[in-house]
Amino acid sequence: SAVISQKPSRDICQRGTSLTIQCQVDSQVTMMFWYRQQPGQSLTLIATANQGSEATYESGFVIDKFPISRPNLTFSTLTVSNMSPEDSSIYLCSAGLGQGSGELFFGEGSRLTVL
Amino acid sequence: AQKITQTQPGMFVQEKEAVTLDCTYDTSDPSYGLFWYKQPSSGEMIFLIYQGSYDQQNATEGRYSLNFQKARKSANLVISASQLGDSAMYFCAMRFHRTGGFKTIFGAGTRLFVKA
Repeated sequence: SAVISQKPSRDICQRGTSLTIQCQVDSQVTMMFWYRQQPGQSLTLIATANQGSEATYESGFVIDKFPISRPNLTFSTLTVSNMSPEDSSIYLCSAGLGQGSGELFFGEGSRLTVL
Repeated sequence: AQKITQTQPGMFVQEKEAVTLDCTYDTSDPSYGLFWYKQPSSGEMIFLIYQGSYDQQNATEGRYSLNFQKARKSANLVISASQLGDSAMYFCAMRFHRTGGFKTIFGAGTRLFVKA
């Protein structure tokens, strides 16, 4: 298994600012992902964080808005840039071990409110 | 394109009874994995059960079982002997391979209410 820590757990941000969310895994993992979950909604994949290379973004998400870093096998960051109220959401970091059943492990999420 | 569908926005069940949460999926890949996750009001995502596309038998984990009907492309979750603590949001998910690794997509979710 993997234990994932995210910070901040919540924040209130002003329109036009940027915020970086950090994700730390307690063991080396093959895959790391960032999801967004808007209130009462499902999880939408933003991107796959690739170690040592550019992230792979899903349709509707772009690097300029959601830059992602993954310098090693246990750490990743997601930045939400030039925020607007529409970015108010929970951002979830997840990791897959690439073995066994391949389930995802999730952080506790970062709840962002943009005013 | 791959897709997960959960058509029950909300379900009610009496405590100690069994309940089935529906999930259908669509993919043309022969190899995929199906998952169920529970999300209580606290927001954490809890992995419940997994079914591989090549698995012959339905997966079971304690009170959870997955009714896998491959021809129908369905993967329903059955919770036996419901408990009050089962009240939560339940998401069906599918993992599939793509260049460079894999990807997991989620259904819209079903909110389960367990009545005392």
